[in-house]
Amino acid sequence: KAGVTQTPRYLIKTRGQQVTLSCSPISGHRSVSWYQQTPGQGLQFLFEYFSETQRNKGNFPGRFSGRQFSNSRSEMNVSTLELGDSALYLCASSLGDRAQETQYFGPGTRLLVL
Amino acid sequence: AQRVTQPEKLLSVFKGAPVELKCNYSYSGSPELFWYVQYSRQRLQLLLRHISRESIKGFTADLNKGETSFHLKKPFAQEEDSAMYYCALSGTGNQFYFGTGTSLTVIP
Repeated sequence: KAGVTQTPRYLIKTRGQQVTLSCSPISGHRSVSWYQQTPGQGLQFLFEYFSETQRNKGNFPGRFSGRQFSNSRSEMNVSTLELGDSALYLCASSLGDRAQETQYFGPGTRLLVL
Repeated sequence: AQRVTQPEKLLSVFKGAPVELKCNYSYSGSPELFWYVQYSRQRLQLLLRHISRESIKGFTADLNKGETSFHLKKPFAQEEDSAMYYCALSGTGNQFYFGTGTSLTVIP
């Protein structure tokens, strides 16, 4: 099976802009989670989508939003970018049928905000 | 509040020496604990999880509910074990909490 894919792999934006990141899960996986990874904070959970519905949400401001499509592909949007949003954004997929499932990670999108 | 703590940011050991990466957690229910690893230029991947009770690449981890710990151990470190290791917790939902990671360097 093909692994989790994320596009684009690299992005450079300026403050105030918005950005959309995309994640395609492993075939058959219906849960997609998003994480922000920074050197100081490690991986921080953003949100999880399952069957097109947000099922869990982390402690991030409303500028961070997401959605999931009927084919389980997911997008994450960050509006009004700030310098502190520079990070590696990871998505992970799992079957989603049960709790505490192993998550399979994509390679990440590295976002640089100038 | 849910929290995963990895007290060591950096850990260096000599090849052939035992290695232990520490992980402590706080969670009020019955969590599942995981260790994820990220080798250089590779994506984050599962190393092992508590419920499987497996030994992967010579690594084992024991869940100690009394001490709320899930330390990762290997009796003889190899150079290829050099990587970033993350301890993670999953609660009753599908939400994961990760530690800040420990960078392990195995010195030849």
